Amino acid sequence: GIQVEQSPPDLILQEGANSTLRCNFSDSVNNLQWFHQNPWGQLINLFYIPSGTKQNGRLSATTVATERYSLLYISSSQTTDSGVYFCAVSLQSYNTDKLIFGTGTRLQVFP
Amino acid sequence: GAVVSQHPSWVICKSGTSVKIECRSLDFQATTMFWYRQFPKQSLMLMATSNEGSKATYEQGVEKDKFLINHASLTLSTLTVTSAHPEDSSFYICSAARRTSGQFFGPGTRLTVL
Repeated sequence: GIQVEQSPPDLILQEGANSTLRCNFSDSVNNLQWFHQNPWGQLINLFYIPSGTKQNGRLSATTVATERYSLLYISSSQTTDSGVYFCAVSLQSYNTDKLIFGTGTRLQVFP
Repeated sequence: GAVVSQHPSWVICKSGTSVKIECRSLDFQATTMFWYRQFPKQSLMLMATSNEGSKATYEQGVEKDKFLINHASLTLSTLTVTSAHPEDSSFYICSAARRTSGQFFGPGTRLTVL
């Protein structure tokens, strides 16, 4: 089956630092989403980005579908950015909207 | 927009009882909803796809008689954990799909079976 791998698995930053999170997937996708799971478990939608580049404030994302990867950039990190970041993909071959989640990146931002 | 609610947010029950979890899309209609399960420090695992007006589609290894799913309307899906046992304790999360916007997730339900 499809593999969705994220790197790094863990990331520790000081407030103000920038970071890049990566998501690699092993098959063609028709949907890719990035989520932030806060300490209470709520999944917050960051980007719906099957291809191209999007920006939202301090966050931006780029998906290169032909090379099967996506990147999430966090600039000027804040302590509230702490949590787990997931990418999730929906396969073209599935013909449904179901998402397969990556392994996640656990981010800790210290003041 | 695209708000999904889930109820209850946490539940503690005795072994052998059944627990029902509700998932509602509050400001949009969702013909498809999804149920996930998450163990501590792990990723989300898709359990089933819930389609309005038809039977749910379960992922391999998920017992359909154990986890009953009903999608009675375009805004409501329910998951019933039947005859719950301690190994069913987990964090259950639902989502609703919105065309060209992807999936939006509820806040989750933490189930503890004693």
